[in-house]
Amino acid sequence: DSGVTQTPKHLITATGQRVTLRCSPRSGDLSVYWYQQSLDQGLQFLIQYYNGEERAKGNILERFSAQQFPDLHSELNLSSLELGDSALYFCASSAWLQANYGYTFGSGTRLTVV
Amino acid sequence: AQSVSQHNHHVILSEAASLELGCNYSYGGTVNLFWYVQYPGQHLQLLLKYFSGDPLVKGIKGFEAEFIKSKFSFNLRKPSVQWSDTAEYFCAVRGGSQGNLIFGKGTKLSVKP
Repeated sequence: DSGVTQTPKHLITATGQRVTLRCSPRSGDLSVYWYQQSLDQGLQFLIQYYNGEERAKGNILERFSAQQFPDLHSELNLSSLELGDSALYFCASSAWLQANYGYTFGSGTRLTVV
Repeated sequence: AQSVSQHNHHVILSEAASLELGCNYSYGGTVNLFWYVQYPGQHLQLLLKYFSGDPLVKGIKGFEAEFIKSKFSFNLRKPSVQWSDTAEYFCAVRGGSQGNLIFGKGTKLSVKP
């Protein structure tokens, strides 16, 4: 157990639907990062939150959004889902704004869009 | 923009063979460099990291990596691999004011018993 908790572990949904992925960072970590892992694109950085504020954006689609709550857990919302959104979604956390010492990853949510 | 290149997509070795996985990054300033490992069905785990100082970094499970600034490289090595090293290996970089890590596409390592 890495200390970063992601739920659910698996999600199967239909095209056009909306889902919410949840992440609880390791205790004491203020930064949360979301990544999408697919076979062809590898690990793509989506977005970073630090202490409740959005701090960096990567290749995140407009259909996707995220937030970090006062208790520091984060949610990634994916809407108008397409088949191509099927992927593993990882959350990671670090203590500070800059991940000088790296991240701790969660176990991921496997999203299948049918 | 920062980027990371991992040259080998899939490496197949026999047990006890030596391993070297290539990683090159593009960023001219101060960097932090990382190797992560992902065992089948599991999350990414940190193998080792370079922050500053000695460019030869030792990590867990007998892995090491050497930071060569002039070559923008951070290759991963292990003198003798085991079947249990079968996994996917990711190189990552963080540079400048950027908070997040940029990952390479990964190298899948298969070790034959």
